[in-house]
Amino acid sequence: SQTIHQWPATLVQPVGSPLSLECTVEGTSNPNLYWYRQAAGRGLQLLFYSVGIGQISSEVPQNLSASRPQDRQFILSSKKLLLSDSGFYLCAGEGGNTEAFFGQGTRLTVV
Amino acid sequence: QKEVEQNSGPLSVPEGAIASLNCTYSDRVSQSFFWYRQYSGKSPELIMSIYSNGDKEDGRFTAQLNKASQYVSLLIRDSQPSDSATYLCAVIAGNQFYFGTGTSLTVIP
Repeated sequence: SQTIHQWPATLVQPVGSPLSLECTVEGTSNPNLYWYRQAAGRGLQLLFYSVGIGQISSEVPQNLSASRPQDRQFILSSKKLLLSDSGFYLCAGEGGNTEAFFGQGTRLTVV
Repeated sequence: QKEVEQNSGPLSVPEGAIASLNCTYSDRVSQSFFWYRQYSGKSPELIMSIYSNGDKEDGRFTAQLNKASQYVSLLIRDSQPSDSATYLCAVIAGNQFYFGTGTSLTVIP
């Protein structure tokens, strides 16, 4: 079965500090991978989309970047966090015209 | 135009009633459609997938797809308080997943 491991589950970071969130995929090869952010009570905002190693599409201009150094690894980063970066971050993957599966999510609070 | 649109709700139904959730999508060539349930503070989980016109039933859940009208719905029969959650509609278009903003459902005991 397809599984996404995402960590950490919760994170509190000061304004101006760097960020690195990582997710890894098991059970499928060459998945499409996604990073979403979700504000409280709101829908999923697509941040980045990747169809393969080194291929990243950015959906919205922001203080974040993403990288895909390996087929099953997707990393979300920031050099300097802003208060507005707080939210619930979700990594998702899908194997091509099949259902998307999600990691457990990371609750990021920037203080 | 957004790829996927849902009424954000909130939708409230009494326990035992039928909850009806609706979704429209813009890409006529979309072939894959999904409903996810998300509890507060948790990640979305897949409830149903549907690929052909008509109805697909799984327990208390029925997904309905009408490609001509670009419309997909989810019916929840005998609604339970544990069904209270946000329901996300998703569509694959152009080899990419698109999610609606979700409909918040509250089942009142």
